Amino acid sequence: EDKVVQSPLSLVVHEGDTVTLNCSYEVTNFRSLLWYKQEKKAPTFLFMLTSSGIEKKSGRLSSILDKKELFSILNITATQTGDSAIYLCAVTNTGTASKLTFGTGTRLQVTL
Amino acid sequence: GAGVSQSPRYKVAKRGQDVALRCDPISGHVSLFWYQQALGQGPEFLTYFQNEAQLDKSGLPSDRFFAERPEGSVSTLKIQRTQQEDSAVYLCASSLGSRGGNTIYFGEGSWLTVV
Repeated sequence: EDKVVQSPLSLVVHEGDTVTLNCSYEVTNFRSLLWYKQEKKAPTFLFMLTSSGIEKKSGRLSSILDKKELFSILNITATQTGDSAIYLCAVTNTGTASKLTFGTGTRLQVTL
Repeated sequence: GAGVSQSPRYKVAKRGQDVALRCDPISGHVSLFWYQQALGQGPEFLTYFQNEAQLDKSGLPSDRFFAERPEGSVSTLKIQRTQQEDSAVYLCASSLGSRGGNTIYFGEGSWLTVV
């Protein structure tokens, strides 16, 4: 059974800080790893990673995958209060198309 | 439509009552998923449709849960004889293709509370 573990479970930082969120996984026949941001509504897609060592970047957010060590990190630089959310990591395998196995998420709170 | 639309957004059901949750995926999306998200947990897979075919229902927790997508577009998740442990957010998601690698878009969820 595929498994995703995220750490830390929760995090409180001050605006302007840089944070790193961790995601480790165990997947049979890995296909991809995805990051989502969830506020009090739909999870919104951030990144999909399939190859090791290639950083994906979008504004202040970036992510990288290590397929040898089976983990990914999500970095947020110069955090803002609007970054406060739950960040979900999920994996897919080559079996059922696009079925996501999620971790429990990291709850990030950015304070002034 | 512009995004995945779900209704009702909020539902309070008495224990034993049947509920039906509707999902309208993004127009043209082949794949449709239902997930259940309990408080403080990540979403957990319930079932998957490719067009009208239900290809995976391994995540449905019991035979009280039933999903359909008869015309390959709108989907309904039905929960019979609801119990308190069914209280959760039910998320619907869709993606354009049937193979992995497509971005999956989520709806805002139907928040079910069973009292």
